[in-house]
Amino acid sequence: DQQVKQNSPSLSVQEGRISILNCDYTNSMFDYFLWYKKYPAEGPTFLISISSIKDKNEDGRFTVFLNKSAKHLSLHIVPSQPGDSAVYFCAASGEEGGATNKLIFGTGTLLAVQP
Amino acid sequence: DGGITQSPKYLFRKEGQNVTLSCEQNLNHDAMYWYRQDPGQGLRLIYYSQIVNDFQKGDIAEGYSVSREKKESFPLTVTSAQKNPTAFYLCASSNRPYEQYFGPGTRLTVT
Repeated sequence: DQQVKQNSPSLSVQEGRISILNCDYTNSMFDYFLWYKKYPAEGPTFLISISSIKDKNEDGRFTVFLNKSAKHLSLHIVPSQPGDSAVYFCAASGEEGGATNKLIFGTGTLLAVQP
Repeated sequence: DGGITQSPKYLFRKEGQNVTLSCEQNLNHDAMYWYRQDPGQGLRLIYYSQIVNDFQKGDIAEGYSVSREKKESFPLTVTSAQKNPTAFYLCASSNRPYEQYFGPGTRLTVT
C-alpha cells in the first residue's frame, strides 16, 4: 500500500506563473517531509523540507505547506522558471522515530515549465 | 569536493550473471542507502546501513546483497536471483535525521 502518494503524474505551467505540486500521505506517524528534484539520469537533489510541528516553510521561490489534519502537503514554486522542469518527489519519514532515517517516496510529478 | 560517486553510469550484463554496483562517499556520513527507480514509480529502498559492518533489508531486498566494510563504501550486488534487475540504481548517504544526499545513479541493463 502506497503510504506517500503523488496523484498527478505530470503538470504543465507557463513561465512566471505558480506551480503547485501536491502530495498525500496515510501514515499519521510521519513527522518530517521533504521534497526532492530530479533531472533525467541524475540523482535526486534535496529541495526543501518541513517538520510536522510547522505548517509552512519557505526558501526563496519554494514554499512547502503542510496540512496535518488532511495529511496533505504541497510545494509552491513562484515564479516558475524553465530550469524548474524536472520530476519532483515527495518523501516522508518518522514512522520509526527517525532512528533509521528511512524515507518513503511518492511516485513523482513531472513538472514542465513552458517558456 | 565532497560527494557521492557511483560507477559506472551505465552497466550492461547478461542474464544469470551477478553484478556489483559501486557507491563511495567522502562526506563522512554514517548512514548509506540503496534505492532502485523504475519508470513511473518512486524510489524503493533496497538496503540501508547505519554504521560500518551493519545493514538492514529495505522493502525490496530479495535478489540483492550488500556489504559495509568501510564507512566510505557500500557496494550493492545484483544477483541472478533478482527477477527484474534492469533499473536505475541510486545510492544515498546521510549524517543527520531524514535528509539524504544522492549519487548520480547507475543504469543497469540486463539482457
